[in-house]
Amino acid sequence: SQQGEEDPQALSIQEGENATMNCSYKTSINNLQWYRQNSGRGLVHLILIRSNEREKHSGRLRVTLDTSKKSSSLLITASRAADTASYFCATDASEYGNKLVFGAGTILRVKS
Amino acid sequence: SAVISQKPSRDICQRGTSLTIQCQVDSQVTMMFWYRQQPGQSLTLIATANQGSEATYESGFVIDKFPISRPNLTFSTLTVSNMSPEDSSIYLCSVRKENGYTFGSGTRLTVV
Repeated sequence: SQQGEEDPQALSIQEGENATMNCSYKTSINNLQWYRQNSGRGLVHLILIRSNEREKHSGRLRVTLDTSKKSSSLLITASRAADTASYFCATDASEYGNKLVFGAGTILRVKS
Repeated sequence: SAVISQKPSRDICQRGTSLTIQCQVDSQVTMMFWYRQQPGQSLTLIATANQGSEATYESGFVIDKFPISRPNLTFSTLTVSNMSPEDSSIYLCSVRKENGYTFGSGTRLTVV
């Protein structure tokens, strides 16, 4: 079964608005990663946050991690039409043999 | 970071036939991972391919259906055997790097 659950399943916003996606997981993790997938193609790694980190930034991306709640959020600020994609969280956990386990994903649509 | 060349990018195959997907990495890696992404779904790990030993399959996936080769540290193939329409998916290879994973561009398989 998948380690991560994401919400919302789909999100539609206007260009310039912020988009927030959430991810919850079940076990202790080594790190949590966020990926983007455009039109069912390959995945692009966005950001990795380790279990001892609480927040990371990369450009317009901000990721938070709350290990007590076993949850993470991805914030995309000042969204652009090019941000339209599916976003997946994935966990690296010893309990799963250090293999990457993906959440269900959030489909983001940014309208121009 | 590693660059992966995956091919074919897409194929339409007749049921009962087999398709072999190739992934070439531009650097030596110990483990390569193969994922399946069914339509509208997240990624599910099929198996981990190690050089010099048999691949390790996840629950629900068997070697007879998804034979894997790993002849050297930069190359791997996944074969989808005796295909049925239920095998229609995107198949992706991946390698672990320091701050996340790199994915191939995916193979979109349609079985008719």
